[in-house]
Amino acid sequence: GQNIDQPTEMTATEGAIVQINCTYQTSGFNGLFWYQQHAGEAPTFLSYNVLDGLEEKGRFSSFLSRSKGYSYLLLKELQMKDSASYLCAVTDSNYQLIWGAGTKLIIKP
Amino acid sequence: DGGITQSPKYLFRKEGQNVTLSCEQNLNHDAMYWYRQDPGQGLRLIYYSQIVNDFQKGDIAEGYSVSREKKESFPLTVTSAQKNPTAFYLCASSIGDRAYNEQFFGPGTRLTVL
Repeated sequence: GQNIDQPTEMTATEGAIVQINCTYQTSGFNGLFWYQQHAGEAPTFLSYNVLDGLEEKGRFSSFLSRSKGYSYLLLKELQMKDSASYLCAVTDSNYQLIWGAGTKLIIKP
Repeated sequence: DGGITQSPKYLFRKEGQNVTLSCEQNLNHDAMYWYRQDPGQGLRLIYYSQIVNDFQKGDIAEGYSVSREKKESFPLTVTSAQKNPTAFYLCASSIGDRAYNEQFFGPGTRLTVL
């Protein structure tokens, strides 16, 4: 079966750095997305990785290792507005998006 | 401003009634999707459409129906055959169905069946 694993919940302090991990087992791989979703709102796109390595975009970075079936989202200089769920999604061999359950990130002052 | 709209934001229905959720986009996107989101679970694909007048079942299509008569519109009907319809429904669109095409989401409709 296809499976994407993320921690259910994480807590971090304002101004700190947090790493949210995602491991996947899918039928084929055509890229990995990270989305941010505030409670009761729509997911919004953060990043897309298809090649191994680190992609940096401002305070957010995303890393991919295809051989390990592993990705992480790194958030630096955390702000209160970063409190949200972070969704990992993988495009499989049929170009379907397989979604993880999301990681709820709680930022404390 | 371009975007995706869903209406209504909250919807209440009695058990046994069919209900239609609206989804409109003015992004000129070819592909549109309907997802269901339940607490503690990932987004699950209900139906998707890559082009007007064509659509395919997703992983949990039973009890749902869709139409794609116009490029801009992709309404979802939740029928009385859906055993557990209470959920948060998200509509999305993308420029195409390639692996790298990010999906843009509407604000969602929270459906509660009483």
